[in-house]
Amino acid sequence: DIVMTQSPDSLAVSLGERATINCKSSQSVLYSSNNKNYLAWYQQKPGQTPKLLIYWASTRESGVPDRFSGSGSGTDFTLTISSLQAEDVAVYYCQQYYSTVTFGQGTRLEI
Amino acid sequence: EVQLVESGGGLVQPGRSLRLSCTASGFTFSNSAMSWVRQAPGKGLEWVGFIRSNAYGGATEYAASVKDKFIISRDDSRSIAYLQMNSLKTEDTAVYYCTGGIYYYNYWGQGTLVTVSS
Repeated sequence: DIVMTQSPDSLAVSLGERATINCKSSQSVLYSSNNKNYLAWYQQKPGQTPKLLIYWASTRESGVPDRFSGSGSGTDFTLTISSLQAEDVAVYYCQQYYSTVTFGQGTRLEI
Repeated sequence: EVQLVESGGGLVQPGRSLRLSCTASGFTFSNSAMSWVRQAPGKGLEWVGFIRSNAYGGATEYAASVKDKFIISRDDSRSIAYLQMNSLKTEDTAVYYCTGGIYYYNYWGQGTLVTVSS
């Protein structure tokens, strides 16, 4: 199974500042035949269901604010929130879907 | 509007079985793979498994932690996906979500809580 490791486990960022969450996979999730990274990011606010933010490593889901962006390729990926808002307090998960599915352990983002 | 509604959760004793249902609407269920994801209290997300559409033979895949214990099935005539859970253990206590697809999940149900306890 592909193991997904996020860092840090928790993060405190001031309002308006940049937040960066990292995700590393134990093997590449880049599929060479289509040059796509099989990597998604989710946001889960307290008491809510997870919400898809990013898929194919860098494609923003419809309706997701453009302060959220995804980058990286192969085994190393990053979710960036360019200017933190109060409503961004949540736990963030990366997920690989290259070989069945595995999630990272989550990163708790606080202000 | 896509809707996924899970049902069937509750309190069950260790060693017993339980079947969860996921009723779908707002999309062509028969063409869609369906997945299950669970979340233990205060913990992260754990993929449980998926079932492909019947166009792909209705093939299933499971996480190692539930393989040979859980079975996913589907009834396209009723737009329902099922999760049959057998030989339940306390560590199976979680909110169980159904989702559409087998790659990334842009639609989630509200989840149903399964508590395994004597």
